[in-house]
Amino acid sequence: GAGVSQTPSNKVTEKGKYVELRCDPISGHTALYWYRQSLGQGPEFLIYFQGTGAADDSGLPNDRFFAVRPEGSVSTLKIQRTERGDSAVYLCASSSKGGRSNEQFFGPGTRLTVL
Amino acid sequence: TQLLEQSPQFLSIQEGENLTVYCNSSSVFSSLQWYRQEPGEGPVLLVTVVTGGEVKKLKRLTFQFGDARKDSSLHITAAQPGDTGLYLCAGAWTGANNLFFGTGTRLTVIP
Repeated sequence: GAGVSQTPSNKVTEKGKYVELRCDPISGHTALYWYRQSLGQGPEFLIYFQGTGAADDSGLPNDRFFAVRPEGSVSTLKIQRTERGDSAVYLCASSSKGGRSNEQFFGPGTRLTVL
Repeated sequence: TQLLEQSPQFLSIQEGENLTVYCNSSSVFSSLQWYRQEPGEGPVLLVTVVTGGEVKKLKRLTFQFGDARKDSSLHITAAQPGDTGLYLCAGAWTGANNLFFGTGTRLTVIP
């Protein structure tokens, strides 16, 4: 079956602009995660959804970052007033259940470049 | 701040050699996972270890969780070019939903 998909695969924007990154999780997966991976680093947690609600948004770096999952499936990560430091690969993952030991299936990521 | 430190950061070896990658933390984790990530793709889960001292084998890969559940190692026997990639360890705490990833080890196996 289809895995996690993310669009766009690459996004180049200018400082100060608004961007939206989309994640389509595996069908039926109730848990969805967003991570950010900077060059040469491991992924860092941003936000976790269980169903439609954000169960844990403690990893969002500031209020310019926001994510939604209105119907409990597709999620959109929104970044306002982008800064050059936001440049990174944004990874989405889903799992059949939430929680620590459940396998998370990752998408290919969206590479965001802020000029 | 990375809670999990991996070493070495980079490793380049010849095909057929053995290698070990380490994942260390001052924190105790309830479980630890190892992932491999290839360029342009997301991480793919290799194994999950949950018990201190646990050893798991996956073909030529051997994973060990430290007795105190603070560290882990990945040993690859007779490395092959297909093993090339970024190896990431990721820990989870009881009650936490997300994973805390290590800094990664970039492995290159030269034919």
